[in-house]
Formats: sequence, structure tokens, C-alpha cells
Amino acid sequence: LAKTTQPISMDSYEGQEVNITCSHNNIATNDYITWYQQFPSQGPRFIIQGYKTKVTNEVASLFIPADRKSSTLSLPRVSLSDTAVYYCLVGDIPNRGSTLGRLYFGRGTQLTVWP
Amino acid sequence: EAQVTQNPRYLITVTGKKLTVTCSQNMNHEYMSWYRQDPGLGLRQIYYSMNVEVTDKGDVPEGYKVSRKEKRNFPLILESPSPNQTSLYFCASSLPKSYNSPLHFGNGTRLTVT
Repeated sequence: LAKTTQPISMDSYEGQEVNITCSHNNIATNDYITWYQQFPSQGPRFIIQGYKTKVTNEVASLFIPADRKSSTLSLPRVSLSDTAVYYCLVGDIPNRGSTLGRLYFGRGTQLTVWP
Repeated sequence: EAQVTQNPRYLITVTGKKLTVTCSQNMNHEYMSWYRQDPGLGLRQIYYSMNVEVTDKGDVPEGYKVSRKEKRNFPLILESPSPNQTSLYFCASSLPKSYNSPLHFGNGTRLTVT
């Protein structure tokens, strides 16, 4: 199972750029890397997904190095409403005999944005 | 509106009294899964289903059962709940995982077992 490691918490101030890095040493060849955001008492919601290099959408960027053993979520100019838990997710490893359905979210990163 | 609906949102029960938490999605998704969330432990997968009549264990399946008799529904069953199953539960769905498609989550069910 492709497990992930992220910092437990991070602090930032409004207007700053925040980078959250996730390690996933056992990522499988066909796995994508997906980031989710979760507010208290709500289900996680999709932010961004990528396979390699860089992906950008209207809310974030995702940087993935060539070896794909880590990824970095970049949130430009954060605001107070970006305070949330951020999860990095990769899928299962098919060649271990498991199906593609096992998922490991880990503990996530609590981002706190201060005024 | 595309959504994953869980019921109930809040549930308080006693040890040993069987309960079912329902999950329904209207997006025709093949893949569905259940998670529990506990302070400091993040989201842990309980069970998942790749399609109708196809289910398998996640990381923490002990004490839980699931069924997938129809595509839209994926109920979570606690045959004999215990206090250590007090938690926040989330259901999620997506297109088949082989497409690496994002998960859509429900709003959660907060369960308390006394």
C-alpha cells in the first residue's frame, strides 16, 4: 500500500504562499497523486490531481519531481478561509495482489492561516 | 445536483445495538468506500466496493460489514457496536479507481456508542 508522509501542521499568514510537501516512496507506476482539503465536520473535497511535473488550476499548483517520490501542493496568497486539513493521496499498488481500491489518506496537514 | 448522501448525520446508540448508516450517490459511480476519522489519526479506510456485489476490506474493517446490492447504495453495518467505534464516518464515491478519478465525499455521520 502506497503510504504517504506529510507534516502534521503548518502556520502561515494571509497573503503568503504556502507549500505542503508529501512523501510517497512506494508510489506505483500508474498512480496519480491527489490532494484533498477538509474543513471541520465536512467531507474532504478534491483540490488538484497530477501524475508528473506541474499541474495548475484556479486554486492551487502541484509540483511532482521526476522520481515521483514526493509532491508539493502550492497555495498562492492564502486567506483565512484556507485554514483546513490537507491530505495527499495515492492509490494502492496493484502488483501486490490487491485491487486498486485500497486508499491511504494518512493524518493530513493542518494548515492554520493567521490574519 | 451530483452528491453523496449519508444518513443519519448524527447517531447516538448503546453497545450491542445493531445499526446501519446509509450512503447513496446519484452519479452512477462504480467505486464507493467508507472511512472513519478520529482525532490525530486522519482518515482510515474501512471497506470499499469496486462495483455491485464486489466489496473488500480497507485498513480497519473489524466490527463492520458492508453490502453493495445496487450501484447507488453502499450501507455500513455495525452488527454489535462498541464504544471504540465512536467516530466520524464518511462515505465516498468515484468512477472506477483505475481511472484515477477524484473521490466525492458525503457530509459525514457522527456516531456515538455508549
